[in-house]
Order: sequence, then structure tokens, then C-alpha cells
Amino acid sequence: AQKITQTQPGMFVQEKEAVTLDCTYDTSDPSYGLFWYKQPSSGEMIFLIYQGSYDQQNATEGRYSLNFQKARKSANLVISASQLGDSAMYFCAMRENYGQNFVFGPGTRLSVLP
Amino acid sequence: GAVVSQHPSRVICKSGTSVKIECRSLDFQATTMFWYRQFPKKSLMLMATSNEGSKATYEQGVEKDKFLINHASLTLSTLTVTSAHPEDSSFYICSARVYGGANTGELFFGEGSRLTVL
Repeated sequence: AQKITQTQPGMFVQEKEAVTLDCTYDTSDPSYGLFWYKQPSSGEMIFLIYQGSYDQQNATEGRYSLNFQKARKSANLVISASQLGDSAMYFCAMRENYGQNFVFGPGTRLSVLP
Repeated sequence: GAVVSQHPSRVICKSGTSVKIECRSLDFQATTMFWYRQFPKKSLMLMATSNEGSKATYEQGVEKDKFLINHASLTLSTLTVTSAHPEDSSFYICSARVYGGANTGELFFGEGSRLTVL
């Protein structure tokens, strides 16, 4: 079964607008971590933001925030004030119970329009 | 943040030859590194977990004799694609996890290596 689901293969957003990238996950572990990574066309994977399953507040990092809804098992990434440089693939990932392995979602390709 | 360096970034080789890709942790010791493979427009697929001083742990369906992993030191893991064939052409990316301190345990990735087998 798919552990990480990203239902949006591609998204478009106008420059300076906000955009939400969806991520839902499936786990029976009470302790887990959720991550978002950005992959520009160069191929490197850039860590953006982290949310722990026990964190009470939604994580924020600059223009990135994570809308964590634990009961719904969703961890959507919100990018505010989009910039042209935000155009990239975005991957949601989960690490279960302090285990070694990360599971990545299929990704969402974001295109920021001028 | 922690830095992971991967080399070469691009390699083209003939079918039947072997190719080695290096993954180095530059400012921390990595007892464990991970090797991923990524097909075009697809997500990352974990190939194997590289453990310093011991054998790598391969994911189901990954041929250990085809993809040789060596983790001889705390800062270097290598992936050797043996007897490469065109279907091995892909983007290979390594990563390592930093434990403790202020880190949240995120993976730090190398720049990736794009392999093309002719």
C-alpha cells in the first residue's frame, strides 16, 4: 500500500501568490516524522521543513509552512509569496518510529508563472 | 547544515563496463548512508542502506551483485554498477542522516549522479 500520497502531479501558481501542495500518509506507528524536500531541475534534493508526530504546532520555515492535520493524516506544504525559483519537484517523505528508512511520495511538479 | 558530496555528477559509459560513484560526508561522520535511484519524472526508490564496516542492506528486487556497495570509512560510501547495461541508465543519489544536536534527523543528499549507458 502506498504510504505517502501526493495527489497533484502538477500545479501552477502565479508569482507572489500562495500555493498548497497536498500530502497524505499512512502509518500505524505513533511516532513518525514528516519531511518536505524540493528537487530543482539540477537534481539535488533540498530539505525544506520537518514536522514531528508529537509536535503541537505546525512547523514553519520562512515562506514554508506545514499544515499538519494528524487525525486526517495529512501534511500539506504551504508556500507563501511564490517566486520563480520555487519551480521544482516537491516530495513529501515520512520516517517511521525513528527508523532509518524514509519513504517518499510520488512528487508534485510546481510551476510558478510570471 | 551537513554536507554530502557525490561524484561524478555525470558519467557516460559503454555497455559492459563498470562505473563507481562516490558519496562523501564532508563535515560529519556517517555510519549509515542510503542509495536511491530515480527514474525520469518519478520518485526516489531506496536501493540499499550502506553500513560502515559491514555489508549493505539491499531492498527487495535490487541485485546486490549488480550494485556493489562499499562503506569502508565513516565518510565514504561507494556504489559500483557492474557490467552496466542501458537499462541501468538512471539518476543515482546518495544521502546520509545526521543524528543528535539540533537536527531533526532529516536526510542530507548528495548532488546526484546521472548515469548513461550506451
